[in-house]
Amino acid sequence: RKEVEQDPGPFNVPEGATVAFNCTYSNSASQSFFWYRQDCRKEPKLLMSVYSSGNEDGRFTAQLNRASQYISLLIRDSKLSDSATYLCAVRFMNRDDKIIFGKGTRLHILP
Amino acid sequence: DAEITQSPRHKITETGRQVTLACHQTWNHNNMFWYRQDLGHGLRLIHYSYGVQDTNKGEVSDGYSVSRSNTEDLPLTLESAASSQTSVYFCASSPGPSGAQYFGPGTRLLVL
Repeated sequence: RKEVEQDPGPFNVPEGATVAFNCTYSNSASQSFFWYRQDCRKEPKLLMSVYSSGNEDGRFTAQLNRASQYISLLIRDSKLSDSATYLCAVRFMNRDDKIIFGKGTRLHILP
Repeated sequence: DAEITQSPRHKITETGRQVTLACHQTWNHNNMFWYRQDLGHGLRLIHYSYGVQDTNKGEVSDGYSVSRSNTEDLPLTLESAASSQTSVYFCASSPGPSGAQYFGPGTRLLVL
């Protein structure tokens, strides 16, 4: 099993809809969790950190489920500009503090 | 504003040549990383550094080297470029053990 796994998609979602992605991780010795957004041919940009109690930033909500070892990202009222690839990232305590990135989930918002 | 920059943004070279990609950050971050990103593989860690004079190998370090002589810079050198090293290279930095990583704009390298 890969350390960090994501459904590659693409998710084709109409504008205004709600969409959610999950990201599973295999190592319980995980410390920090993040969601990044990557536009085509650009660098990954930090979207939000994921906190144990869950956190929200505008239309974006991130959740952590340690028992089932996954994090989730929910996007409400999706916009055309949300079309991108979303990468999850996990820092494992026993991996020299490196961050392991998932391969990303592609999201297409349809007009 | 503090930032992280990479140069060149695009590079074409021939097999066997030595190539150096520059990464410079003005955040005063201790931790710096080099990744390559290829279709089907996602981001793969090449080398990383947790401070001046500290360098460590990542999962795909063969054929690459780095040096860290100051806090701001972590140049990546391809000792003898190979076609398999054609890729997009991203540099990243983070403030410390629990922080997120912040990426530079990337360098697109084509090895002919």
